[in-house]
Amino acid sequence: GDSVTQMEGPVTLSEEAFLTINCTYTATGYPSLFWYVQYPGEGLQLLLKATKADDKGSNKGFEATYRKETTSFHLEKGSVQVSDSAVYFCALDNTGFQKLVFGTGTRLLVSP
Amino acid sequence: GAVVSQHPSWVICKSGTSVKIECRSLDFQATTMFWYRQFPKQSLMLMATSNEGSKATYEQGVEKDKFLINHASLTLSTLTVTSAHPEDSSFYICSARGVRSDNANTGELFFGEGSRLTVL
Repeated sequence: GDSVTQMEGPVTLSEEAFLTINCTYTATGYPSLFWYVQYPGEGLQLLLKATKADDKGSNKGFEATYRKETTSFHLEKGSVQVSDSAVYFCALDNTGFQKLVFGTGTRLLVSP
Repeated sequence: GAVVSQHPSWVICKSGTSVKIECRSLDFQATTMFWYRQFPKQSLMLMATSNEGSKATYEQGVEKDKFLINHASLTLSTLTVTSAHPEDSSFYICSARGVRSDNANTGELFFGEGSRLTVL
């Protein structure tokens, strides 16, 4: 079945460092890909998405490009802030009905 | 933005008792709600999909008699863990999609904060 693999955390960075969180997927067809973020005490929020190959999703300085050839959707940000500390989930939807398949989540800790 | 709220955020119960978790959409009509379960250091696993007014559709391997899901209104879905046992201890998360007051589709899923169940 479909699956998502993302790097284990926690990822610990200093403020203004470059961030990459790796995400690869296994799926038939052409799923939509998502990054969700969960801040402490809150529900998951959609951070960005891409619906077809070579699409780039972006939001709040975060970017991810849908790479069909490497089945990847890595999350990047050029300069992280303390407020970016959260858990980041990569996910896919291969049904078109938003039945999401999630990765395990990666905790990001950014220190001043 | 749209808000989904879960209650309780955490609950501790004795083995053999039943526990109900509520998921409410606060500012939109949730035509579809999803229930997930998350074990430590593991992915969120979809348990079931519920559409308002109809029976929930359970994913393979999820016991429907164990995890009762009710979606009787457009703003509320409940998950009842019946005769809970320690192996049911987990983090349960709901998400919802639907229609805003202006009849526009919300277009994305909105997630609750999660409910942590500990069964002693």
